[in-house]
Amino acid sequence: AQSVTQLGSHVSVSEGALVLLRCNYSSSVPPYLFWYVQYPNQGLQLLLKYTSAATLVKGINGFEAEFKKSETSFHLTKPSAHMSDAAEYFCAVSEGSGGYQKVTFGTGTKLQVIP
Amino acid sequence: DGGITQSPKYLFRKEGQNVTLSCEQNLNHDAMYWYRQDPGQGLRLIYYSQIVNDFQKGDIAEGYSVSREKKESFPLTVTSAQKNPTAFYLCASSSGQGARQPQHFGDGTRLSIL
Repeated sequence: AQSVTQLGSHVSVSEGALVLLRCNYSSSVPPYLFWYVQYPNQGLQLLLKYTSAATLVKGINGFEAEFKKSETSFHLTKPSAHMSDAAEYFCAVSEGSGGYQKVTFGTGTKLQVIP
Repeated sequence: DGGITQSPKYLFRKEGQNVTLSCEQNLNHDAMYWYRQDPGQGLRLIYYSQIVNDFQKGDIAEGYSVSREKKESFPLTVTSAQKNPTAFYLCASSSGQGARQPQHFGDGTRLSIL
């Protein structure tokens, strides 16, 4: 069974500081991994995805994530936080074949950006 | 622009009442999903459908029902059997071409009890 662990339900950073949101996964097969962002009272938007090509994945809004198989991690980073980055971030792992897709989401990390 | 439309944005349910949440997509996606989101618990799968006229229970289907009569539509009914329905409900869709495809989400419906 697949699972996702996000360390830290709340993370605070100063504006302009490095953002690091942690995600570890377990999967019985090579995983497909995603990061989503959610703003208050909205749905989830895709930030980036890992689908077994390059291990360093670049996404929207300056975010990137590195897939490390040996550490079963897929941490999300951004060099310099902006006030608009304040939101909740979800890591997800996807398994399945054909038309079936089972996605397991982490419990989320709320990012606070301090001016 | 293609996307997923959920309505209403806010919904209130009285005791013993069934309510239906609407989800419509114009992305031509085969697969559709309903998730429930509670604070600190991430997203939990209620039902999913890979194709018209077929759907499967997810992890927390009790007290919920769905239909998939059209490719574009996947309504969710919260029945009176669901004793704790207060939550944020998210509808999603994907192309149905396997695990590497991301899911696309609507903006959610927040359901509360009167």
